[in-house]
Amino acid sequence: AQSVTQPDIHITVSEGASLELRCNYSYGATPYLFWYVQSPGQGLQLLLKYFSGDTLVQGIKGFEAEFKRSQSSFNLRKPSVHWSDAAEYFCAVVPTGTASKLTFGTGTRLQVTL
Amino acid sequence: DTAVSQTPKYLVTQMGNDKSIKCEQNLGHDTMYWYKQDSKKFLKIMFSYNNKELIINETVPNRFSPKSPDKAHLNLHINSLELGDSAVYFCASSSQAEQYFGPGTRLTVT
Repeated sequence: AQSVTQPDIHITVSEGASLELRCNYSYGATPYLFWYVQSPGQGLQLLLKYFSGDTLVQGIKGFEAEFKRSQSSFNLRKPSVHWSDAAEYFCAVVPTGTASKLTFGTGTRLQVTL
Repeated sequence: DTAVSQTPKYLVTQMGNDKSIKCEQNLGHDTMYWYKQDSKKFLKIMFSYNNKELIINETVPNRFSPKSPDKAHLNLHINSLELGDSAVYFCASSSQAEQYFGPGTRLTVT
């Protein structure tokens, strides 16, 4: 079945430490891939996206993500986390050829300790 | 200059009532969506409209009725509200695959 998996429900990192949030997908063809962030009580903000081309994509707020076709993964990374990065992070996909039906993973809650 | 706006931000109502949530986008996008986020933060699409035409209708009770008077607006009307309808409802819009979300409407049914 088609799915998006975020294996980590909750991650805690120290401020200044590096971060990697995992995302795996299960689709027949490579879908369009996205990462969104939701701060407490807020809406969703698009961090970055992958449609095709260079497999390392840069986003806003110092985030990047790497698409690995062989692993069906699109992991989100940041070299040095700031306390303001504490939020819920969602990986999402739009299967190619569908009417932009965005399917979300279950989210990873990031906590940042000082 | 809010790109996607929703009103109201909070909505508290009793079971059995009928309520509406409004959404407007000023991005010039052709497609708009409604998503529901449950208490566990899980997000699921409910509806999508493209140029005022319904293109996605997930398994949603028919108490929920979207209406798109023009391509910049997509409203959500809910009849006979139930406790399980309590959630955060997000509107979004897109021109291609990339979607932009509104701030959400937190609906609480008592």
